[in-house]
Amino acid sequence: AQTVTQSQPEMSVQEAETVTLSCTYDTSESDYYLFWYKQPPSRQMILVIRQEAYKQQNATENRFSVNFQKAAKSFSLKISDSQLGDAAMYFCAYRSDGEGAQKLVFGQGTRLTINP
Amino acid sequence: KAGVTQTPRYLIKTRGQQVTLSCSPISGHRSVSWYQQTPGQGLQFLFEYFSETQRNKGNFPGRFSGRQFSNSRSEMNVSTLELGDSALYLCASSLDGLRTGTKLYNEQFFGPGTRLTVL
Repeated sequence: AQTVTQSQPEMSVQEAETVTLSCTYDTSESDYYLFWYKQPPSRQMILVIRQEAYKQQNATENRFSVNFQKAAKSFSLKISDSQLGDAAMYFCAYRSDGEGAQKLVFGQGTRLTINP
Repeated sequence: KAGVTQTPRYLIKTRGQQVTLSCSPISGHRSVSWYQQTPGQGLQFLFEYFSETQRNKGNFPGRFSGRQFSNSRSEMNVSTLELGDSALYLCASSLDGLRTGTKLYNEQFFGPGTRLTVL
């Protein structure tokens, strides 16, 4: 079974600075997807960024980028120029790449605080 | 296009009762997944329905069940409620369909959740 571990329960950063959230995972599969989801106090889960395991290039979405190290099974999220609206719980998630595979395996989450 | 909707948003029940939660996916989406979120266990996958059939199931007792209707709306039911069933229940919908060997990714869109409190 796949597992996802986020070792930082809480992180804080000054507004406009950069922060990196860590995530490691365990799997025996070679093809899969990795995600970072954001859950603000409103509770609506929002996809921040995704990475396909077969792609070597790290995904980037505006101020959000990942460092995907497949051999090390590491998948960190870097948020540049942090904004107050980035404050939320961030979840790292894993999904198999198979027929009908929709199950997401989540980490425990990292609560990110942005200090003005 | 309307997002994923869940009803009710809040629910209070007592131990031993049963509860039914509803999820309406984004129009055209045929896959609906359910997750339980608690402070202690985090986010855990309950089950997924696709074209009215349960396609995947997590490690939850038989008290947790679900179904999907022909319009892709889904319901989940919890019978004989326990205090530990207090949680935020999230559903997510996706376009996911049958693949023909090529890599096909369909994003899952989450609803706002139903907060269930068991007293």
